Amino acid sequence: AQSVTQPDIHITVSEGASLELRCNYSYGATPYLFWYVQSPGQGLQLLLKYFSGDTLVQGIKGFEAEFKRSQSSFNLRKPSVHWSDAAEYFCAVGPKTSYDKVIFGPGTSLSVIP
Amino acid sequence: DVKVTQSSRYLVKRTGEKVFLECVQDMDHENMFWYRQDPGLGLRLIYFSYDVKMKEKGDIPEGYSVSREKKERFSLILESASTNQTSMYLCASGVDNTEAFFGQGTRLTVV
Repeated sequence: AQSVTQPDIHITVSEGASLELRCNYSYGATPYLFWYVQSPGQGLQLLLKYFSGDTLVQGIKGFEAEFKRSQSSFNLRKPSVHWSDAAEYFCAVGPKTSYDKVIFGPGTSLSVIP
Repeated sequence: DVKVTQSSRYLVKRTGEKVFLECVQDMDHENMFWYRQDPGLGLRLIYFSYDVKMKEKGDIPEGYSVSREKKERFSLILESASTNQTSMYLCASGVDNTEAFFGQGTRLTVV
C-alpha cells in the first residue's frame, strides 16, 4: 500500500540550531515528492519539490531536502532555525500523472525555543 | 501571487444543517480540490475537479458533495452536517500535477 510516514509528531529546537524532519514513503515507483509548511491559522505553502535529477533540492526560506531512493526517504533540513519557522510540516508523495493521487503524511509540528 | 480564498475562517453549525463552504481562486486554474485536515491524519482528499461542471470523488466523499459552475469557484456542500464532520477544510487549486496552492482553511465545528 502507498503511504507516507513522518516518524516525529512533534519536535522542539532552539533558535539557531539545525533541523532535520524525517519523511519515509512506500510507493510503487519513484514518485514526485513535496514538502509543505503550514503556519498557524494558515493554509499550506510549498517549500520544495523533487521530480528528478539532483537528489538535493533547494527550497524557499532556506530549506533543503535530500531524496534517497535506497532508503525511500525525503528528509527536510535547515542549517539554522528561526523562530518564524515554528509551524506544521507535511511531506507528500504522488504520481507523475495527477495531483489528485498525492498522499500527505500526518505532519510534524515544530516548536522553536528562543 | 496566486490567491485561493475561502469564504469563512470559522463556522459553527448545528447537526442536520446544510452547510456550504465556498472557495474562489484568481489564477484561472483548471484543477481544484477540497481536503479535510485532522490531527495525526494529514490531509485527505474529499472531492476534486479538473474542469467546470466536472467533479470526481476523492478518498473520503461520503457525506459531502461539490459544485463547480464557474471555473474560479468550487463549493463543498455538507448535505446534513454531523459532529464527525467537525474539522479543518482546505481548498486548493493548481494548473498541473506539480503543485497545488492552498487557501487559508475553514475550521468547521458542528454542534
